[in-house]
Parts: sequence; structure tokens; C-alpha cells
Amino acid sequence: EAQVTQNPRYLITVTGKKLTVTCSQNMNHEYMSWYRQDPGLGLRQIYYSMNVEVTDKGDVPEGYKVSRKEKRNFPLILESPSPNQTSLYFCASRPLRGRTDTQYFGPGTRLTVL
Amino acid sequence: KNQVEQSPQSLIILEGKNCTLQCNYTVSPFSNLRWYKQDTGRGPVSLTIMTFSENTKSNGRYTATLDADTKQSSLHITASQLSDSASYICVVSKTDSWGKFQFGAGTQVVVTP
Repeated sequence: EAQVTQNPRYLITVTGKKLTVTCSQNMNHEYMSWYRQDPGLGLRQIYYSMNVEVTDKGDVPEGYKVSRKEKRNFPLILESPSPNQTSLYFCASRPLRGRTDTQYFGPGTRLTVL
Repeated sequence: KNQVEQSPQSLIILEGKNCTLQCNYTVSPFSNLRWYKQDTGRGPVSLTIMTFSENTKSNGRYTATLDADTKQSSLHITASQLSDSASYICVVSKTDSWGKFQFGAGTQVVVTP
């Protein structure tokens, strides 16, 4: 089944404890992206990647890192999480055949930073 | 200021009735506009995608319209069903960036029996 998977789905952690949220897609998509979703603000883009070893900042990259060493994986790293990073995180992927290709979203990771 | 504004913020409709959601954007230069449906606790799912030259796109009971001159789009839901209860999100992208997307805050639709 074609899908985007994220792990973990739920995570409670404490301020300053490094964490990684994994994202994997099995559709051979070139493009992958991370978003956070907060009530009243909608989805905001954190980082995106157009292909392996190519990453770029979205609108809210502060406090996050990403890497794209393999085409299928795009982990999101929080080196020193803070309470304002408590949010619902989504990973997405899409092919780059054309501008109107559909973006496929993962199921989401709910992160709480205490 | 958000470059994609949606209205209303929320609405309640009776099962079987129609409704229309609005999206106004200031994103420029415009490339395409997408509507997504997001069920509670799940990732968004694409409904329609429209480019500058398209002014109507349908997907079953969902019909999206686009007026690129006034920078407005609407999503019309016909004969609503309980399963239409969800958040509907308008997303706009620019011609000079394949990678970045601007999201509206969404319209929460509740369909009641």
C-alpha cells in the first residue's frame, strides 16, 4: 500500500531532551516536507526537501533540523525541544513530475514538550 | 499576516444540505490552489487542484471554483453527508517555488443528522 508513515505517533518528552521523529514513504517521491499544525494557525511548513541531500527552510524552521540521506526517509530532529514546540506534526511527500502533483500526508505525530 | 484567508471559521449544516466555503489569497505569483479535507486526528487528503487557467474542478460531491483575477476560490459541498464532517483547508503555491506552500487555517464543517 502506498503510504507515508511517521513514528512515533505520540510522544511526551521534557525540555532539552533531543528527539527524532521519523518519516518514511514507499512511493519513490522526490519531494518530502514537514509541517506543524497548531489550533487557529493551520499547517505551517518547517522544512522541505526536493531530493536526496537537498533541503530548504519553510516558514518556521527555528529549533528544527532535517536530513535527507535516502530518498524514502526524511527525519525531523529537535535538538533541544521547548514547550512552544508542542504541536501536531505531519510529514508529506509528492512526486515532482509537475506543479499539480498531489501531496500525500502521513498520519501525524502528536508531540508534547513539558 | 496570513496570505491565505478562509471563511467561515466553522459552520454547522444539516445532512443533505449544500454549503460553500471561501478562500481568499494574496500569494503571488500564483501557481495553483488546492483544497484538502482533514478528518480529526488524521492527515489532510487532497480533494482538488486548480491552476491559473482552470476555474472549476469537481471531485464527486465537491466542486471547487477559482477566480484568479480576484484571487478567490470556493469549495461547494453538495448534498452533505455525515462523513463530510471535517476541516477543509485551502493551500496556495507560487510559480517561483515548487517546494513551499501557504496554508489557510481551515473551515471546520459539522454535518448534523
